[in-house]
This record gives sequence, C-alpha cells and structure tokens, in this order.
Amino acid sequence: EAGVAQSPRYKIIEKRQSVAFWCNPISGHATLYWYQQILGQGPKLLIQFQNNGVVDDSQLPKDRFSAERLKGVDSTLKIQPAKLEDSAVYLCASSSPRGRSTDTQYFGPGTRLTVL
Amino acid sequence: ILNVEQSPQSLHVQEGDSTNFTCSFPSSNFYALHWYRWETAKSPEALFVMTLNGDEKKKGRISATLNTKEGYSYLYIKGSQPEDSATYLCAHHQGAQKLVFGQGTRLTINP
Repeated sequence: EAGVAQSPRYKIIEKRQSVAFWCNPISGHATLYWYQQILGQGPKLLIQFQNNGVVDDSQLPKDRFSAERLKGVDSTLKIQPAKLEDSAVYLCASSSPRGRSTDTQYFGPGTRLTVL
Repeated sequence: ILNVEQSPQSLHVQEGDSTNFTCSFPSSNFYALHWYRWETAKSPEALFVMTLNGDEKKKGRISATLNTKEGYSYLYIKGSQPEDSATYLCAHHQGAQKLVFGQGTRLTINP
C-alpha cells in the first residue's frame, strides 16, 4: 500500500512570495489533514477535510493560507504572501473514514519551508 | 484546545541503556492517546493507540503505559539502539478525529 505522498520536500522562498504544497493521501482515505510543525513545537492542525468538505479550519490563518481538496482525493495548501514565521515543516496526513478516536493518522514526509 | 505536554524535550542516552519519557494530557473526557515516532527526513510513524486506563502496549523493545485518571502516559525503550534515535510525539484525541500533539521528546542514542 502506497503511503501519503507530499511534494516538494524542501522549499526556500523570500518573504512576501507565494508557495504551494501538494498532498496525495492513501487511497480510500476520506479524511485529510494539514499540520504545521514549527521547530521546537508539536504539529498543529491547520485544516481537516472529510472528502472535499472542510471539517475544521479554526487554526488556519485565513488571511494568507488557503487549502482545497476539490475532488476529495489530493489536496493543495497555499501561502500567499509568506512571512518569516511561516518557516516550518508542513505535514499532510490521512485516515480511514471510521470516525473513531482510535483511527490512526498516516503521515507523509512533510515539506520543509524556509522563508528568508 | 487542551494542552499536551511532553518531558523531557530532549534526551541523550548511551547505547544499551533503557530510558523513558512522559506525556501529560487533560484527564477529563478522555478518548484516546496516540504515540508516534518521527525519524529525521522520514514520515511520522504510528507506534501505539491507547484507550483504557491501565493499558500497556508493547512493540519490540518499546512499550507504553496509560493512566487516564491522572492524565499521563509513559513510553519506555529497553536496551536503546542507534536506530531508536528519533523524536517521539504523543497526541491526545480531543473529539471529531482531532489530535492535539505535544512538543515531542527528541531522543539521541550515543554509540
């Protein structure tokens, strides 16, 4: 079974530029998550999709961050314009649709973003 | 969002030694606690999902215990090996498939 795919793995941009990250979840996983992990902190949930609908985006800075999952499969997270404090690892995860507290989230390798 | 705390933040252990670290979480309305291992340049990997007070889970040399009444979980590694070097994350399930992560314990095994 193929895991969660993410690209690019690394990205370096100047502040005020735009950047986009792509995620392809495990086949059949209806729930997709984007996390931001800043150095020294734990991963923080940015947005959660169930199929192509948003379940939780309460911690997404909507003035600069956007995410979509148009066909309920792969997803794109965009930052426009980027700030220095956006430097982080962006992790994508997916889970099966059983909706239980024991459901495991399967993670991709992440995209390490550096904003200069 | 209810905070999850891990300690220590980093740990250096000699190869062959055993070690343990702690995850503290809110004890009210407990659903589940997840442990993940995150090696550098790889994907975080699920280790355990724990649900019942007194739960003990084991995977090879790694084991975990759970105390939901007092709100903590311990992760133990017996006979540490260099391949155990990683960041260990715990995550508290806070409803609606939402996980809140601790800041992690970064473990380095010295040969």
